[in-house]
Amino acid sequence: TQLLEQSPQFLSIQEGENLTVYCNSSSVFSSLQWYRQEPGEGPVLLVTVVTGGEVKKLKRLTFQFGDARKDSSLHITAAQPGDTGLYLCAGVPDSSYKLIFGSGTRLLVRP
Amino acid sequence: GAGVSQSPRYKVAKRGQDVALRCDPISGHVSLFWYQQALGQGPEFLTYFQNEAQLDKSGLPSDRFFAERPEGSVSTLKIQRTQQEDSAVYLCASSEDGRQTAGANVLTFGAGSRLTVL
Repeated sequence: TQLLEQSPQFLSIQEGENLTVYCNSSSVFSSLQWYRQEPGEGPVLLVTVVTGGEVKKLKRLTFQFGDARKDSSLHITAAQPGDTGLYLCAGVPDSSYKLIFGSGTRLLVRP
Repeated sequence: GAGVSQSPRYKVAKRGQDVALRCDPISGHVSLFWYQQALGQGPEFLTYFQNEAQLDKSGLPSDRFFAERPEGSVSTLKIQRTQQEDSAVYLCASSEDGRQTAGANVLTFGAGSRLTVL
């Protein structure tokens, strides 16, 4: 059973388009993180959100933590080919301490 | 070192062979995690060390998997009598903070060791 469900699993878009990736759970998380992973590399942390309703922006990327701390979204504006990669959400459930990863969203941005 | 270093980067093993995967965390980092990532999936937790103490090994798939960190720095993940289902990328991550609440820490991941069992 996947504690963190990500959607869509795969996304292929044209350069310049906008997109949103979702990370959902029935569990409450003390914090959620978003990582980006390229082939042959380990995940690299993009952002951590800790407060329900929090919104963080990183250039063209906007991250939001749900009010109930059960879900998060990643929105990319004007996607670039360099944004191509596997996007992973990860979080620590309130009842635990281990970092749990979602199944990932594989993004392909075509030039 | 500047980052988390893992070796070997690629390992091909025949079914039944034993393998050992090494992780060199960032110097001084207290916490060390091992994750298993199957193709097209997110990483799955295997085990956690705080210095030399293995505080959680609940994610290890079977008793064929064994991890150690004897001096609180370098860690080795050993897999005995490898099976085809062990084929995956094994990721190591370390963090400076000794708190177990990983979400509050910044984890730095290595590039992983890709194991293929034939």
